[in-house]
Amino acid sequence: TQLLEQSPQFLSIQEGENLTVYCNSSSVFSSLQWYRQEPGEGPVLLVTVVTGGEVKKLKRLTFQFGDARKDSSLHITAAQPGDTGLYLCAGFNFGNEKLTFGTGTRLTIIP
Amino acid sequence: DTGVSQDPRHKITKRGQNVTFRCDPISEHNRLYWYRQTLGQGPEFLTYFQNEAQLEKSRLLSDRFSAERPKGSFSTLEIQRTEQGDSAMYLCASSLIAGGLGDTQYFGPGTRLTVL
Repeated sequence: TQLLEQSPQFLSIQEGENLTVYCNSSSVFSSLQWYRQEPGEGPVLLVTVVTGGEVKKLKRLTFQFGDARKDSSLHITAAQPGDTGLYLCAGFNFGNEKLTFGTGTRLTIIP
Repeated sequence: DTGVSQDPRHKITKRGQNVTFRCDPISEHNRLYWYRQTLGQGPEFLTYFQNEAQLEKSRLLSDRFSAERPKGSFSTLEIQRTEQGDSAMYLCASSLIAGGLGDTQYFGPGTRLTVL
């Protein structure tokens, strides 16, 4: 069974601070996706990383895929209240055909 | 809006009743997935279709659950004899698989089921 552990589970910080969320597994994934989910809504895709060591930037968000394709991180610079939400990582493998979601990180940015 | 849509958005039912949810995927997407998400957890895979064929079912999908995608477009998920443990958000996602490219799944807003 493939498991993805996210840390921290909860994070509450002041507006303007930086933060990093981690997604770790003992399994290798073909690709890894990050989603953000608002209360009562479905997850919205932020990014997909495919290559080991890959770094992708989306405005103030930086995503990195580990060299061994077992882990990933999401770094947010100068957090804003609009960043508040549940952040989910999800791994995908060809031949397995379904997303394995992490445990989630609930982020709250305090104005 | 051409995203994934789900209906209803909320359903409250009494234990023992049957419920049915509908998902309309993004047009031309050949894969459709169902996931279940309980409070504070990440979504868990239930089943998926490629066109009209149901290719995989999770062990989470008991005999009370059935899903269909009769014409390879919209899908329905039915839960018979609902139990309080079925209370969750049921999410639908769709993707386009073409030529071995990676799977990017786009999620609908979900159906929140509450079983009293």
